[in-house]
Amino acid sequence: AQSVTQLDSHVSVSEGTPVLLRCNYSSSYSPSLFWYVQHPNKGLQLLLKYTSAATLVKGINGFEAEFKKSETSFHLTKPSAHMSDAAEYFCVVSAAGNTGKLIFGQGTTLQVKP
Amino acid sequence: GAGVSQTPSNKVTEKGKYVELRCDPISGHTALYWYRQSLGQGPEFLIYFQGTGAADDSGLPNDRFFAVRPEGSVSTLKIQRTERGDSAVYLCASSLLPGQGTEAFFGQGTRLTVV
Repeated sequence: AQSVTQLDSHVSVSEGTPVLLRCNYSSSYSPSLFWYVQHPNKGLQLLLKYTSAATLVKGINGFEAEFKKSETSFHLTKPSAHMSDAAEYFCVVSAAGNTGKLIFGQGTTLQVKP
Repeated sequence: GAGVSQTPSNKVTEKGKYVELRCDPISGHTALYWYRQSLGQGPEFLIYFQGTGAADDSGLPNDRFFAVRPEGSVSTLKIQRTERGDSAVYLCASSLLPGQGTEAFFGQGTRLTVV
């Protein structure tokens, strides 16, 4: 069965410093992987997705993630944090089959300090 | 509308009561999903519709939960004999077509509180 593990429940960075949110996945086949962001009182928004094309995926707002099969990882990075990046981030894997059903990690809360 | 719309945004109900949560997906999206997000957790899959039919309802926790999508557009999630443990944010998502790698668009959710 597919699953994702977000290695940090809470990450705190200073504005202007790099962001690293870690995610490991488990899948019996080549998965589709996503990062979603959830701002308070707003809906989940797709940041980026990996679907077996380029292993380095660029998303919105300067975020990117690298698919590493050998490490079963899909970590999210951003070179310089902005105050508006403070939110909950979810690493997500597509379930087996062709339904589009998503399996979410537990989430990582990103705090950005001025 | 431009996005997925869920109503009501908040619902407080007494234990044992029946509730209905509505989802209006993006026009033309054939796939519709319901998820439940408990406090401090990631969303968990409940049910998936392709058109009018429930193609996968494996995430429904028990037979108190039921969902319909009679005309292949709007969907209603129905919870009978609500329990305090049903308190959560219920999220609806839609996508143009089902399939791995397809982007799902989420509504803002309905926060259900059972007192």
